[in-house]
Amino acid sequence: QSALTQPASVSGSPGQSITISCTGTSRDVGGYNYVSWYQQPPGNAPKLIIFEVTNRPLGVSNRFSGSKSGNTASLTISGLQTEDEADYYCASYTSVNAQVFGTGTTVTVL
Amino acid sequence: QVQLVESGGGVVQPGKSLRLSCAVSGFTFDNYGMHWVRQAPGKGLEWVANIWYDGTHTYYADSVKGRFTISRDNSKNTLFLQMNNLRAEDTAVYYCARAEYTSSPSDYWGQGTLVTVSS
Repeated sequence: QSALTQPASVSGSPGQSITISCTGTSRDVGGYNYVSWYQQPPGNAPKLIIFEVTNRPLGVSNRFSGSKSGNTASLTISGLQTEDEADYYCASYTSVNAQVFGTGTTVTVL
Repeated sequence: QVQLVESGGGVVQPGKSLRLSCAVSGFTFDNYGMHWVRQAPGKGLEWVANIWYDGTHTYYADSVKGRFTISRDNSKNTLFLQMNNLRAEDTAVYYCARAEYTSSPSDYWGQGTLVTVSS
């Protein structure tokens, strides 16, 4: 199972919006609405911020939003803040009863 | 509150075995499936294995199939990962994470335990 493809890095200024893409196949991202996104600050465990493509867990800022089109999912961070600097990973359920993560994206706030 | 605490990591020689544990509290353990996820130093996340709430179904990444075994003891609120025939490429921080179903996201994570495979 190959990792989902994400850009290695994305940057933006405070207050701007950025979008991170996550490209898979019809056997994972494109085949199911079971795409999730995780935020991982340096040295910390991952934290779930989006599940089932568009849903936010309780307590997660509404500045985070998710979407999907075909085999590509996207995470948008609006009103970028310095606290958003972290690594971000997408993940998807797959057709072989597995999970697959994305390659990860480092977000830098300029 | 929900807590997951991994233990059992350490330094082990190639070809040897190690057993990781994940003690959970703050939720009804036997209502939830569980994942193991690992992260090699400086690298991304890699899903390792999943077990159903009752232990009747298990699933593995191709990279560990036949070498690793996920199991659980619901009477002790504990998840396990038995790792055999370890290789250098298994070196990673291993996280346990709660996931209602195999298709579910991991909504709570432990802090991880480091496994280093080296001679």
